Amino acid sequence: GAVVSQHPSRVICKSGTSVKIECRSLDFQATTMFWYRQFPKQSLMLMATSNEGSKATYEQGVEKDKFLINHASLTLSTLTVTSAHPEDSSFYICSARGVGEGTVPYGYTFGSGTRLTVV
Amino acid sequence: GIQVEQSPPDLILQEGANSTLRCNFSDSVNNLQWFHQNPWGQLINLFYIPSGTKQNGRLSATTVATERYSLLYISSSQTTDSGVYFCASYRNDYKLSFGAGTTVTVRA
Repeated sequence: GAVVSQHPSRVICKSGTSVKIECRSLDFQATTMFWYRQFPKQSLMLMATSNEGSKATYEQGVEKDKFLINHASLTLSTLTVTSAHPEDSSFYICSARGVGEGTVPYGYTFGSGTRLTVV
Repeated sequence: GIQVEQSPPDLILQEGANSTLRCNFSDSVNNLQWFHQNPWGQLINLFYIPSGTKQNGRLSATTVATERYSLLYISSSQTTDSGVYFCASYRNDYKLSFGAGTTVTVRA
């Protein structure tokens, strides 16, 4: 079935540095990628949506200059947290919709998440 | 966006017990989905269920779209069923609106 590989699974970085999170779709083409953040004991909050080859659209309140999203190919999307601060510490999850054998009809395939800690 | 409410917020079960989780949504939807997030954070699709009833092993789901609710049934629960269950739906833009989730803990 469809798989989205998300890396890294955990990252600790110093305040002020940037962190890049990658999501790769395996065995299918991710035409749309969604990026979420999830705080402990809370639901998923959509940050942005990206379509391959297009600029990402960000949800209200999400700083596009802070959370840079690139979806340059049908199998790779990246989220870069720039100038990270402790309040950016969270669990970041990508989710892909796409085409190809093994994709779930009407389905979303999620990455395994990245736990970011900014110290 | 679509407002999604889930109940109960927490559920503790003894292994082997049955349970029902509920999802109410604010507007008519035709693409209600259920997801499970395991304790390590991985989400998987359980059901795409805009209406009617579906079953997959010990899990089944029913959506009554006219009354704007969906139910997820867990039968003969196992410890591996622990995690958070989310229902979600979207409009035409495929952006999922998630409920707050039901945290299920199954004790051996």
